[in-house]
Amino acid sequence: EAGVAQSPRYKIIEKRQSVAFWCNPISGHATLYWYQQILGQGPKLLIQFQNNGVVDDSQLPKDRFSAERLKGVDSTLKIQPAKLEDSAVYLCASSRREDTQYFGPGTRLTVL
Amino acid sequence: GNSVTQMEGPVTLSEEAFLTINCTYTATGYPSLFWYVQYPGEGLQLLLKATKADDKGSNKGFEATYRKETTSFHLEKGSVQVSDSAVYFCALTTRRANQGGKLIFGQGTELSVKP
Repeated sequence: EAGVAQSPRYKIIEKRQSVAFWCNPISGHATLYWYQQILGQGPKLLIQFQNNGVVDDSQLPKDRFSAERLKGVDSTLKIQPAKLEDSAVYLCASSRREDTQYFGPGTRLTVL
Repeated sequence: GNSVTQMEGPVTLSEEAFLTINCTYTATGYPSLFWYVQYPGEGLQLLLKATKADDKGSNKGFEATYRKETTSFHLEKGSVQVSDSAVYFCALTTRRANQGGKLIFGQGTELSVKP
């Protein structure tokens, strides 16, 4: 079974630029999560989808971050405009309707 | 609110030493508890989990027991190897009917095993 796929793996941008990350979950997983992991910290949930509906986006900075999950499969997370403090690893995870979440390799974003 | 606290790292051990990484939690209701491991340059991998009090999760020689009375889920291994060098994250999720719950992570504990 293929794992969670993410791209790109690395991205370097200037502050105030825009960036987008893509995630393809494990086939059949209805729930998809985006986490932000700042260096030296544990991951923090940004947004959770159940199929293509948003379940929890309470920690998403909505003035600059947006996410969508069209057709209930792939998802895109966008930052516009980026700030220095957005430098982090962005992790995508997916799960069936149960506890265990499976993580992708992440996208490391550096904002200069 | 819900939170997880882990012992601070880095932890440095010699090969074949005994490992304990402490984890305590605060949660409403009855959380499920997890240990995830992150090897250098890789994503998070589930190491083990426990879903109710007194459950013991185990995998690859690692164990952790869900202790409701002490709100703890300490990770142990009897004999570590160099290949166990990684960052270990304790996490919890509170259950939602028919939905996966978000994971709340501790800050991570870096383990370095020397030959």
